[in-house]
Amino acid sequence: DAGVTQSPTHLIKTRGQQVTLRCSPKSGHDTVSWYQQALGQGPQFIFQYYEEEERQRGNFPDRFSGHQFPNYSSELNVNALLLGDSALYLCASSFRPGFNQPQHFGDGTRLSIL
Amino acid sequence: AQKVTQAQTEISVVEKEDVTLDCVYETRDTTYYLFWYKQPPSGELVFLIRRNSFDEQNEISGRYSWNFQKSTSSFNFTITASQVVDSAVYFCALNPFSGGYNKLIFGAGTRLAVHP
Repeated sequence: DAGVTQSPTHLIKTRGQQVTLRCSPKSGHDTVSWYQQALGQGPQFIFQYYEEEERQRGNFPDRFSGHQFPNYSSELNVNALLLGDSALYLCASSFRPGFNQPQHFGDGTRLSIL
Repeated sequence: AQKVTQAQTEISVVEKEDVTLDCVYETRDTTYYLFWYKQPPSGELVFLIRRNSFDEQNEISGRYSWNFQKSTSSFNFTITASQVVDSAVYFCALNPFSGGYNKLIFGAGTRLAVHP
């Protein structure tokens, strides 16, 4: 039973570039959430996708956008990268978006901005 | 405000010592879930426990135990007879019902180092 898988594992970009991160949810899950974890801090909620729509969004600028595909996988896009976007990006999946549904996390994508 | 505070940034213990990780939360909701996650160096967040706001029973799982006290808004985590494999960053998280969907609010984490 495959868990949550994220790609790539590591990524290096320069300021101003754009990046796309990918996530495949755990088998049987249909909801994907994205979190940003800066060094030495706890993860912060970016947004959540269910039924191919963004259902909830945290306090992140419009430079952060996403997409969910019919197979429930998801992409996180970040435009006009800033140095402060350097972080570990975690994807979490659950069955349905309800607040009582446990979330399962992937290993994350470590993004470094030069 | 919805907030989780883990006041202990780093804890260092010697193997076999008991250690308690503190977690204090703030929420106006009466319905919420509390979680503990473990993050080893690989980065993955490993789920340890989930507790809903209506269940204040303490829980024990092997060497792990959790003490939930609504009166003090605390959800503390104790590892008994710590082992080197327990070394990791531990996060406490809150999922308030008013958040609607599944939106975890994490504390800043406590880094636990267990030395042989």
